[in-house]
Amino acid sequence: AQKVTQAQTEISVVEKEDVTLDCVYETRDTTYYLFWYKQPPSGELVFLIRRNSFDEQNEISGRYSWNFQKSTSSFNFTITASQVVDSAVYFCALSEVSGGGADGLTFGKGTHLIIQP
Amino acid sequence: DAGVIQSPRHEVTEMGQEVTLRCKPISGHDYLFWYRQTMMRGLELLIYFNNNVPIDDSGMPEDRFSAKMPNASFSTLKIQPSEPRDSAVYFCASSHSGQVNRELFFGEGSRLTVL
Repeated sequence: AQKVTQAQTEISVVEKEDVTLDCVYETRDTTYYLFWYKQPPSGELVFLIRRNSFDEQNEISGRYSWNFQKSTSSFNFTITASQVVDSAVYFCALSEVSGGGADGLTFGKGTHLIIQP
Repeated sequence: DAGVIQSPRHEVTEMGQEVTLRCKPISGHDYLFWYRQTMMRGLELLIYFNNNVPIDDSGMPEDRFSAKMPNASFSTLKIQPSEPRDSAVYFCASSHSGQVNRELFFGEGSRLTVL
């Protein structure tokens, strides 16, 4: 069965610090997709990134970067030079594609990131 | 292009009452999902549809919960009778099977409080 673990329940850092959010996943499929979503205080879920299991290249988007390592089943998310607006709950999620269906996403419990001014 | 639209945004009801949550997926999307978010359990998949047909309802907590999708542009999640432990934010999401990446587009959620 698929599972996503975000061991960090809450992280608090001071603005401008770098912060890494950990995500470890479990799946028996060889083909799968990994996602990160952001949930700001307003409550909506905002898509950040998707990565398929065959693409282990790290990705950088502005202050955000993602490190995908199949060897450790991890898909970590780093925010560089954090800002107060980054304060939110961040969810890592996994989608298996066995059977060709969409399956929906299995989410981790989320990491509440607090950026203090 | 409109996103996933959910209504109501907030609902407060008393235990025992029927609750109906509504969702309009993004036009052209053939998958629709209902999720529930609570502090204790996080985001849980309740049920999902493909081309209006329920595919997996194993996440539906119990018989008090039911979901329908009468057409491609509308779905409902009904709780009857409601209980205080049903208090949560209910999200609807949709996706398109042509997307390789399986991205889900979420609505803004319906916050349900059962007193």
